[in-house]
Amino acid sequence: GAVVSQHPSRVICKSGTSVKIECRSLDFQATTMFWYRQFPKQSLMLMATSNEGSKATYEQGVEKDKFLINHASLTLSTLTVTSAHPEDSSFYICSARVAGGFTDTQYFGPGTRLTVL
Amino acid sequence: AQSVTQPDIHITVSEGASLELRCNYSYGATPYLFWYVQSPGQGLQLLLKYFSGDTLVQGIKGFEAEFKRSQSSFNLRKPSVHWSDAAEYFCAVGAYSGGSNYKLTFGKGTLLTVNP
Repeated sequence: GAVVSQHPSRVICKSGTSVKIECRSLDFQATTMFWYRQFPKQSLMLMATSNEGSKATYEQGVEKDKFLINHASLTLSTLTVTSAHPEDSSFYICSARVAGGFTDTQYFGPGTRLTVL
Repeated sequence: AQSVTQPDIHITVSEGASLELRCNYSYGATPYLFWYVQSPGQGLQLLLKYFSGDTLVQGIKGFEAEFKRSQSSFNLRKPSVHWSDAAEYFCAVGAYSGGSNYKLTFGKGTLLTVNP
């Protein structure tokens, strides 16, 4: 149980285009999903917290107009990188939270490698 | 705000040897504590977690961790390492800030190399 999928696993795009990444909780409902960014050989940096049916909460320094997050249902959140540039190239990982008492845990997707040419 | 320190960036052990990865946290109350493992190019897999109760928690793949409140530590251990354990290990603290905002804060990770 508690499987989170991400699609696509890899994407290469040209500078200036937009890229959408999907995050799905496959066998549970997640009221909260998180988006992280990870640079090579570094830890995960939280970009934003996504709550179903409401606007995402962005961490300081993350451009909300560039990284659009939509949490349309209890099993799906999307991250759209708008007008991507080479500096946006990174590994993006989502997680879905199962909240409440002893079960409060985040389960992570396999990640999406974005390369912007 | 919470923080996590993993003092060891890289650890190398021989297969069959014991392992201890260190993690220290900073938080005003008892946090939720987690250890995750990440293989190259992959997402994170939960190894174990501590919320309350017994301070020695057992996880998957033969890992265990001990919560020591007096030392603000949550070190990960395994009695006998296997070559397949080679990966990056992240300690994380889950806590609320600003009321209902919950988030995980990760340490910088410890890269484990296993020699045959």
